Amino acid sequence: EAGVVQSPRYKIIEKKQPVAFWCNPISGHNTLYWYRQNLGQGPELLIRYENEEAVDDSQLPKDRFSAERLKGVDSTLKIQPAELGDSAVYLCASSPTLEISTGELFFGEGSRLTVL
Amino acid sequence: GQQVMQIPQYQHVQEGEDFTTYCNSSTTLSNIQWYKQRPGGHPVFLIQLVKSGEVKKQKRLTFQFGEAKKNSSLHITATQTTDVGTYFCAGNAGGTSYGKLTFGQGTILTVHP
Repeated sequence: EAGVVQSPRYKIIEKKQPVAFWCNPISGHNTLYWYRQNLGQGPELLIRYENEEAVDDSQLPKDRFSAERLKGVDSTLKIQPAELGDSAVYLCASSPTLEISTGELFFGEGSRLTVL
Repeated sequence: GQQVMQIPQYQHVQEGEDFTTYCNSSTTLSNIQWYKQRPGGHPVFLIQLVKSGEVKKQKRLTFQFGEAKKNSSLHITATQTTDVGTYFCAGNAGGTSYGKLTFGQGTILTVHP
């Protein structure tokens, strides 16, 4: 079974440029998460989706970050414009519907962003 | 908001020595999960603890959930070089925050052969 797929794996941009990350969760997983992981830190939740609904986006910096999950499957996370402090690994994770879930998150390989 | 703290931040051991990392939450948890992240990799789920005082074992790994459901520990017996990586705990506060995992900053384990 395919795992969570993310692209691109690496992205280098100059500050003020836009960037987008794409995530394809495990088939059948209704819950999708975007996390940001800074070097030497644990993942920090940016946004959580249940199907196509964003149920928790309280930690998403909405002035420059946006996300969507059309049709409740794939998701994109966009940053516009990027700032130096946005350099991090952006992790996508998915899990089955919470009501029947063990709670385990399946993470993708991540997208490493470097802002120059 | 909820905070999850882990200690130590780093641990260097000789192969064969034991290792323990501790996790403390500022709030009572519904459950706690543990993940391992190899260098350059992504977090991989190890286990979930739900019950107060719960103890679970996976081969050389022993996981405990505190009686008050605010702390947890991971103990590795006789470490091996394959145990190298960062170990994260992640707490689920439950209630209206169910599904929102808050990760600790992790403990980086280095094992010297």
